[in-house]
Amino acid sequence: DVVMTQSPLSLPVILGQPASISCRSSQSPVSTDGNTYLNWFQQRPGQSPRRLIYEVSRRDSGVPDRFSGSGSGTDFTLKISRVEAEDVGVYYCMQSIHWPWTFGQGTKVEIK
Amino acid sequence: QVQLVESGGGGVQPGRSLRLSCAASGFSFSLYPMHWVRQAPGKGLEWVARLSHDGTDFQYADSVRGRFTVSRDNSKNTFYLQMNSLRPDDTAVYYCAKDSIRWSVDYWGQGTLVTVSS
Repeated sequence: DVVMTQSPLSLPVILGQPASISCRSSQSPVSTDGNTYLNWFQQRPGQSPRRLIYEVSRRDSGVPDRFSGSGSGTDFTLKISRVEAEDVGVYYCMQSIHWPWTFGQGTKVEIK
Repeated sequence: QVQLVESGGGGVQPGRSLRLSCAASGFSFSLYPMHWVRQAPGKGLEWVARLSHDGTDFQYADSVRGRFTVSRDNSKNTFYLQMNSLRPDDTAVYYCAKDSIRWSVDYWGQGTLVTVSS
């Protein structure tokens, strides 16, 4: 199985400051069609997961533009340009090209 | 708007069976593959299974293959997870999720809790 490794696992941030989460995959999630199937999900406390980013950098409708995804090959990053209180939660990367689809361990973002 | 509503969770003894349902609305259900993803208490997300739009193609996580079966009834807009030979480590909130067609999942249900304990 493809192993997704996130860091850090805990991220205390100051409101208004940037935050960055890294995700490394043991195999590249690049498909034969040339697209890279790397996703980011947000799970707020007590809620279901919500997709933020797909195909590395495509932001879902309604997702604030302070969230951005980048990366290539096996290294990917989710950045929050200015953290707001509503961003508290756990963030997961997921590769969706190799079966079984696999998630990272999750990064807990909290306000310092 | 897309809605996914899971049901069928509850407490069950090890070795017993349970069937989860996911009622879908707000989109053309018969056109989309569907997934189950689970989350053990206090833990991360684990993808469980996927079923194609027409029910002919499926994939399972190694941890459930041979014990769990996915199915769907496109006439009822409902997706199922039949869970047999349940084990304590199957205890989790089970989410159904809609495939986005572009190799991802874009909508999730609210989840249903399955507790396997004697």
